[in-house]
Amino acid sequence: GENVEQHPSTLSVQEGDSAVIKCTYSDSASNYFPWYKQELGKRPQLIIDIRSNVGEKKDQRIAVTLNKTAKHFSLHITETQPEDSAVYFCAAKSTGGSYIPTFGRGTSLIVHP
Amino acid sequence: SQTIHQWPATLVQPVGSPLSLECTVEGTSNPNLYWYRQAAGRGLQLLFYSVGIGQISSEVPQNLSASRPQDRQFILSSKKLLLSDSGFYLCAGQVSGANVLTFGAGSRLTVL
Repeated sequence: GENVEQHPSTLSVQEGDSAVIKCTYSDSASNYFPWYKQELGKRPQLIIDIRSNVGEKKDQRIAVTLNKTAKHFSLHITETQPEDSAVYFCAAKSTGGSYIPTFGRGTSLIVHP
Repeated sequence: SQTIHQWPATLVQPVGSPLSLECTVEGTSNPNLYWYRQAAGRGLQLLFYSVGIGQISSEVPQNLSASRPQDRQFILSSKKLLLSDSGFYLCAGQVSGANVLTFGAGSRLTVL
């Protein structure tokens, strides 16, 4: 089955800095890669996703990049703000096989004002 | 779009007592449904998933069970809670054939 590794487990940055979270996956059949943000005590919510036919996708201050050859994808947050503080989860899923996404263990992002 | 409702939001139960957490889905039919647990360390552990009424798959052996008596209802149960069952339980739904998971607000269980 799919295995998703996520690093770092904790990331501390100053407000205005950039933050990068990296994930690797094992199943070359995976072709959908979402990122979820979970604020303290709240539910995870989808913030951005990318499919394997796209190398990069941006939405305002967040972007996701995908390297299919190396089987890794990353979340980039620019100009971080205190409200970006949360746990971020990456996931991988194959639309052709299992419909169940496999999640990484999460990254706790702390943005210091 | 689908909405996931979960209750209760918070529950404090003694060891050995039963448990019932309920999840209902609004806005879609025949969804895939999931129960996840988050213990300390914040990872999302998949407990059960269901692709239809009466169809339950368990990911890990444990003290819990799940049932899907109706298309849009998913229930997590235990006959006798253990201390280790404490955690934040999340129900999630996925429109059949789609990719995105929508999560409920979660149920925080403390077993004393």
